[in-house]
Amino acid sequence: EAGVVQSPRYKIIEKKQPVAFWCNPISGHNTLYWYRQNLGQGPELLIRYENEEAVDDSQLPKDRFSAERLKGVDSTLKIQPAELGDSAVYLCASSTQLAGVNEQYFGPGTRLTVT
Amino acid sequence: AQSVTQLDSHVSVSEGTPVLLRCNYSSSYSPSLFWYVQHPNKGLQLLLKYTSAATLVKGINGFEAEFKKSETSFHLTKPSAHMSDAAEYFCVVSGRTGFQKLVFGTGTRLLVSP
Repeated sequence: EAGVVQSPRYKIIEKKQPVAFWCNPISGHNTLYWYRQNLGQGPELLIRYENEEAVDDSQLPKDRFSAERLKGVDSTLKIQPAELGDSAVYLCASSTQLAGVNEQYFGPGTRLTVT
Repeated sequence: AQSVTQLDSHVSVSEGTPVLLRCNYSSSYSPSLFWYVQHPNKGLQLLLKYTSAATLVKGINGFEAEFKKSETSFHLTKPSAHMSDAAEYFCVVSGRTGFQKLVFGTGTRLLVSP
């Protein structure tokens, strides 16, 4: 079974430039998540999708971040314009409820460096 | 609100010796608890999970954890460390009913020396 796929794996951009990250979840997983992991910390949820609907985006900085999940499969997270503080690893995860347990599967992440 | 505290930012062991990574949780209701491992430049991998069944949970690669409600702890153990166990480990808490988001600890880096 293929895991969660993310691209690119690494991205270096100058501040004020736009950047986009792509995620393909595990087949059949209706729920998709984007997390941000700052250096030395655990991941923090940015947004959660149930199929194509964003059901929890309370932690997404909406002035510069946007996300979409067209057709309820692949998802794209965008930052425009990027700031120095956006340097982090952006993780995508997907899940399906198993006996009520929220078991999430993570991709390898995209490491963003803003200079 | 839910939270987890990983008591050690770094743990160093020798290959073949036991591993203990400590985690305390805080939750206003019965939680689900997880341990994830993150190898360099790789995604987070689920090691084990506690939902509400047996308090001693066995996971992959010989790891296990024990849920102790009286101590609000969920420590991760392994009898004998292997070099390949060197990684970052995250303790995670979540609610048990409906959708509850995962709340991660700050991580413990496990170093294994020959």
